[in-house]
Amino acid sequence: DSGVTQTPKHLITATGQRVTLRCSPRSGDLSVYWYQQSLDQGLQFLIQYYNGEERAKGNILERFSAQQFPDLHSELNLSSLELGDSALYFCASSPRQGAKAEAFFGQGTRLTVV
Amino acid sequence: AQKITQTQPGMFVQEKEAVTLDCTYDTSDPSYGLFWYKQPSSGEMIFLIYQGSYDQQNATEGRYSLNFQKARKSANLVISASQLGDSAMYFCAMRENADMRFGAGTRLTVKP
Repeated sequence: DSGVTQTPKHLITATGQRVTLRCSPRSGDLSVYWYQQSLDQGLQFLIQYYNGEERAKGNILERFSAQQFPDLHSELNLSSLELGDSALYFCASSPRQGAKAEAFFGQGTRLTVV
Repeated sequence: AQKITQTQPGMFVQEKEAVTLDCTYDTSDPSYGLFWYKQPSSGEMIFLIYQGSYDQQNATEGRYSLNFQKARKSANLVISASQLGDSAMYFCAMRENADMRFGAGTRLTVKP
């Protein structure tokens, strides 16, 4: 158990809908990362927050947004969902920033858009 | 931009033997970290080992070791005494600053 909690574990929704994925980082970790893992794209970095502030943005679509709250939990909002958004969404947390910071991953949320 | 390359889509190894999973990377930043993760069929991502760009010695964690060749920009993972439970996807990753970028992964199958 990495200590990172993601809910829900599975989500099935229809195209055009909006969903929210939730992540609770390890106790004391200030950094939260979101990744998307699909069969054809591999693991794609979406966005990073550090202590409530956005620090880095990757291949995140405009239909997607995220935030980190004062209690350090984070939410990833996916809207106007398309079939191609079906993927495993990971949250990870790190105790620090910088090149040496290993990331601990949650179990992931498997999103299926039908 | 960072680029991580894992050239072996799949690898097979006999139980109890050692196996090397290849990873090369491309960066112009002198300070970076290299990581290996294991993803079993259950889906979770498990952190295995870390190597810093300034580290003089190769990292080791139990049966895992990292063969770091900085001049060649390679960071190969060596798993010794393979076990059936080692069958999984293995991802190499690199971090320069905020984001961690991953390679495409290598699927390792351990044969009994």
